[in-house]
Amino acid sequence: GESVGLHLPTLSVQEGDNSIINCAYSNSASDYFIWYKQESGKGPQFIIDIRSNMDKRQGQRVTVLLNKTVKHLSLQIAATQPGDSAVYFCAGVGAGSYQLTFGKGTKLSVIP
Amino acid sequence: DAGITQSPRHKVTETGTPVTLRCHQTENHRYMYWYRQDPGHGLRLIHYSYGVKDTDKGEVSDGYSVSRSKTEDFLLTLESATSSQTSVYFCAISESTDGNTIYFGEGSWLTVV
Repeated sequence: GESVGLHLPTLSVQEGDNSIINCAYSNSASDYFIWYKQESGKGPQFIIDIRSNMDKRQGQRVTVLLNKTVKHLSLQIAATQPGDSAVYFCAGVGAGSYQLTFGKGTKLSVIP
Repeated sequence: DAGITQSPRHKVTETGTPVTLRCHQTENHRYMYWYRQDPGHGLRLIHYSYGVKDTDKGEVSDGYSVSRSKTEDFLLTLESATSSQTSVYFCAISESTDGNTIYFGEGSWLTVV
């Protein structure tokens, strides 16, 4: 099955700096990955996704990189703002599966 | 926000009592999911549905049952609640499994005492 995990449980960055949150996965047959942001007391909110036939995808201030060789993906947040403070999860879907498998999350704290 | 409403949002119940959580969607999405979120475990899939009356088990289905009699409603039932089922429960929906985004509700906080 799919196993997804994050490298660091917490990350503190200065406001205005770039943030990089990492995630590793175990199933090389996974074909879809999603990054979610979860603020305290709320449900996970979709940020950006990427399919396995891509190695990079950009959104507004966010970029996801996928390295299939080492089964690693990262979320980059440019010019981090206080509103970016949250827990970030990566999630993966194995090929032919309905199920998202989540990593445990990285808590991002932005220092004003 | 995706049109997902969970109820109740907060509930305290006693061990051994039945509990039903409701998820209602207005998006007419085919797939619906129930996850639980616990410290140290992230989100884990309990059950999911791929259509009316079509459901299947997820990773942590023991002690839970589900029903989907209408496209818009997905019910999660704890037949006899235990303290280990104290958790935050999230409903999610998606249009398909072909890489479509899965959207989450705001969560239901359940405490079993």
